[in-house]
Amino acid sequence: KAGVTQTPRYLIKTRGQQVTLSCSPISGHRSVSWYQQTPGQGLQFLFEYFSETQRNKGNFPGRFSGRQFSNSRSEMNVSTLELGDSALYLCASSFETGVSYEQYFGPGTRLTVT
Amino acid sequence: AQSVAQPEDQVNVAEGNPLTVKCTYSVSGNPYLFWYVQYPNRGLQFLLKYITGDNLVKGSYGFEAEFNKSQTSFHLKKPSALVSDSALYFCAVRGSNSGGYQKVTFGTGTKLQVIP
Repeated sequence: KAGVTQTPRYLIKTRGQQVTLSCSPISGHRSVSWYQQTPGQGLQFLFEYFSETQRNKGNFPGRFSGRQFSNSRSEMNVSTLELGDSALYLCASSFETGVSYEQYFGPGTRLTVT
Repeated sequence: AQSVAQPEDQVNVAEGNPLTVKCTYSVSGNPYLFWYVQYPNRGLQFLLKYITGDNLVKGSYGFEAEFNKSQTSFHLKKPSALVSDSALYFCAVRGSNSGGYQKVTFGTGTKLQVIP
């Protein structure tokens, strides 16, 4: 079974631009979560999507948005980029039954804002 | 609000010695607990989880963790450390939020350095 894939792996953008990152979950996983990882702030939860609906949201400004498609693939968008948005963006897909839960991460997208 | 504490930013251990990476948590209801490992410039790799059942959970690469409900802890252990175990380790907990859906909260991470 293929793992979680994220594209692109690396990205360099200029302050003020916008960016879209993509995540394809493990087959059969309907939930996708996004995290931002920086050296100073650690791993911060952005949002979670399940069946095309956002069901959890972290404490990030409205410049950060996401969506999920009917095939469970997800995208996140950051508008009006700031230098502080430079980070590793991680996507995770998860699967839950009544008695278990599993979550697996993709390799991440390294975003650099100059 | 749920939270995870990893009290040590870094743990140093000699190769061949046992290692412990500490984690305590706070959550409403019964916790789902996880350990992940991250190598440089990589995503997080799943190591093990506790959902229910035996308090001692065995995972990948010889790691295990012990769930202690009274101490609200879930320490990661390995009997004999390898240099290749050197990495960043994250503890995580899943509980309930006000909307009824459960999100995962991560600790700040502990850097494990295994010294040859």
